[in-house]
Amino acid sequence: AQSVAQPEDQVNVAEGNPLTVKCTYSVSGNPYLFWYVQYPNRGLQFLLKYITGDNLVKGSYGFEAEFNKSQTSFHLKKPSALVSDSALYFCAVSYASGGSYIPTFGRGTSLIVHP
Amino acid sequence: GAGVSQSPSNKVTEKGKDVELRCDPISGHTALYWYRQSLGQGLEFLIYFQGNSAPDKSGLPSDRFSAERTGGSVSTLTIQRTQQEDSAVYLCASNSPDSRYGYTFGSGTRLTVV
Repeated sequence: AQSVAQPEDQVNVAEGNPLTVKCTYSVSGNPYLFWYVQYPNRGLQFLLKYITGDNLVKGSYGFEAEFNKSQTSFHLKKPSALVSDSALYFCAVSYASGGSYIPTFGRGTSLIVHP
Repeated sequence: GAGVSQSPSNKVTEKGKDVELRCDPISGHTALYWYRQSLGQGLEFLIYFQGNSAPDKSGLPSDRFSAERTGGSVSTLTIQRTQQEDSAVYLCASNSPDSRYGYTFGSGTRLTVV
């Protein structure tokens, strides 16, 4: 079985400050890891993914995430937050199981960036 | 089309009625997923289609829920005898192995059972 934990329901940060949204995962094989963002009344938008290779993955809108195998973490980061980054962020994990890749999503973390 | 299209965007139905939700995936994407997002909850996996293989229905919450995918493209999620606890946003996603963008989601159908 695979699972994802996003330990923070909400993260508050001031505009211009660095932000981190935490994600840890559990999977029996090599993980595929994803971050998605959801704005109000919208579907999920892809930010970035880790499949293999460099542990530091760069994605859309200046976001990046670091895959840490020993800590089973994939935290989302951005050096300087914008008010427009305020949204709901989801971490997801999937892996190859009998030829299928069904992603499991975390409960989401609400990011609030204050002006 | 350029993205995953879901219809209707909003659906209000009376308890006990059947509803059909439609998903039109990105052309050429072989994998299609249905998820349910309830208020304050994460995404709950419902069903997964991959090409012509038998679907993975392990996430369907009850036998009132069913889905089909015709011709490897459009999918319909059917909920029979709707209950108030079925109220949620139903999201569809599609994917192909060589996609740069992982899973592409539609904007969802907001279902309200009154």
